[in-house]
Amino acid sequence: SQTIHQWPATLVQPVGSPLSLECTVEGTSNPNLYWYRQAAGRGLQLLFYSVGIGQISSEVPQNLSASRPQDRQFILSSKKLLLSDSGFYLCAWSDRDTPLVYGYTFGSGTRLTVV
Amino acid sequence: GDSVTQMEGPVTLSEEAFLTINCTYTATGYPSLFWYVQYPGEGLQLLLKATKADDKGSNKGFEATYRKETTSFHLEKGSVQVSDSAVYFCALSQGGYQKVTFGIGTKLQVIP
Repeated sequence: SQTIHQWPATLVQPVGSPLSLECTVEGTSNPNLYWYRQAAGRGLQLLFYSVGIGQISSEVPQNLSASRPQDRQFILSSKKLLLSDSGFYLCAWSDRDTPLVYGYTFGSGTRLTVV
Repeated sequence: GDSVTQMEGPVTLSEEAFLTINCTYTATGYPSLFWYVQYPGEGLQLLLKATKADDKGSNKGFEATYRKETTSFHLEKGSVQVSDSAVYFCALSQGGYQKVTFGIGTKLQVIP
């Protein structure tokens, strides 16, 4: 069966520090991968998606970047965090061939607080 | 662009009450529609889905019908339980990479 792992679960970082959040998927190959951010009162905002190794699409301009060094690994990064980067970050995957049948599968999320 | 509108809540109900959470959407073409649920401190889980007009998605006593004429996908449950307390997200998906657009989420609190 497919599983998605996301870590760390919580993170407190000072303003100006770097960030690296990691997400890995097991039990499938060639998944579509996504990073979402959930901010209070704003729902979920799609940040990045990837349809293959090294292929990253950004949905909104921001202080963050994403990379996909391996087929089932998706990394969210920042060189210098801002206070506005605080939020709940969710990684998700969907099946490449039948995404609309199964929808997204989300990781358990990372609560990031920038202080 | 595509959008999903739902009330933010919170919605507070007594146990065994009837639940309706309204969801309307704006989209070109024929999107697939989803409801996701997020329990406290967790990620989102797919609750139910419908991929074409007049389809009814159902799971765990929840139901929603894809109404193209009213561009709606309202979530209903006949008798809620305390364990249903969570945030519910309406969502739609279409496009080449199956990007999902989410509503703002509706917080449901069920009291005994």
